[in-house]
Amino acid sequence: DTGVSQNPRHKITKRGQNVTFRCDPISEHNRLYWYRQTLGQGPEFLTYFQNEAQLEKSRLLSDRFSAERPKGSFSTLEIQRTEQGDSAMYLCASSGVQRGIHEQFFGPGTRLTVL
Amino acid sequence: AQKITQTQPGMFVQEKEAVTLDCTYDTSDPSYGLFWYKQPSSGEMIFLIYQGSYDQQNATEGRYSLNFQKARKSANLVISASQLGDSAMYFCAMREGDSWGKLQFGAGTQVVVTP
Repeated sequence: DTGVSQNPRHKITKRGQNVTFRCDPISEHNRLYWYRQTLGQGPEFLTYFQNEAQLEKSRLLSDRFSAERPKGSFSTLEIQRTEQGDSAMYLCASSGVQRGIHEQFFGPGTRLTVL
Repeated sequence: AQKITQTQPGMFVQEKEAVTLDCTYDTSDPSYGLFWYKQPSSGEMIFLIYQGSYDQQNATEGRYSLNFQKARKSANLVISASQLGDSAMYFCAMREGDSWGKLQFGAGTQVVVTP
């Protein structure tokens, strides 16, 4: 399977702990995106990489959040000092060009629950 | 300000019937793209159809078609011949300017297909 993969799929943590999620994009895609989705809402953009360069960050990405893509392949999203409001599905997407569309392919997501 | 508005939180449709999901958008950028994604209960986001702002014809992909009314800033999704497997959450999304940029999603419409 050559789709976008994310690990772990589920994470339960206590408030105040740090968590790290990993995203492996489709291998030939050099753009990688992180989104957050809370229950009953559409995904909200967090940040975006072209290769290893982080090109855009949302205001939603507070200083407790940090994302990296050190070698332009996989990416990690770390949340420090988690809060209950961080509970959400964290989605990763990568982008290539199919039929000129620049479609974003999404991974299955990591569901975070902060107790 | 909300960039993407989906006014229908939920819809029931009978199998084999057609259904139209509403989406309006707000942008001053002349170059933009409009996407529809499907999110089944399993959580993955599945790309359905794309319409570029300069495209002259409405997009179609199998049973999906996009009714693009540029002057009204609407991009409604039409699903023909509904199937039970179409039951899912449907999201409209927009990308402004940069072809590789972030997607901005609406709140979604829950579709339930009944036998």
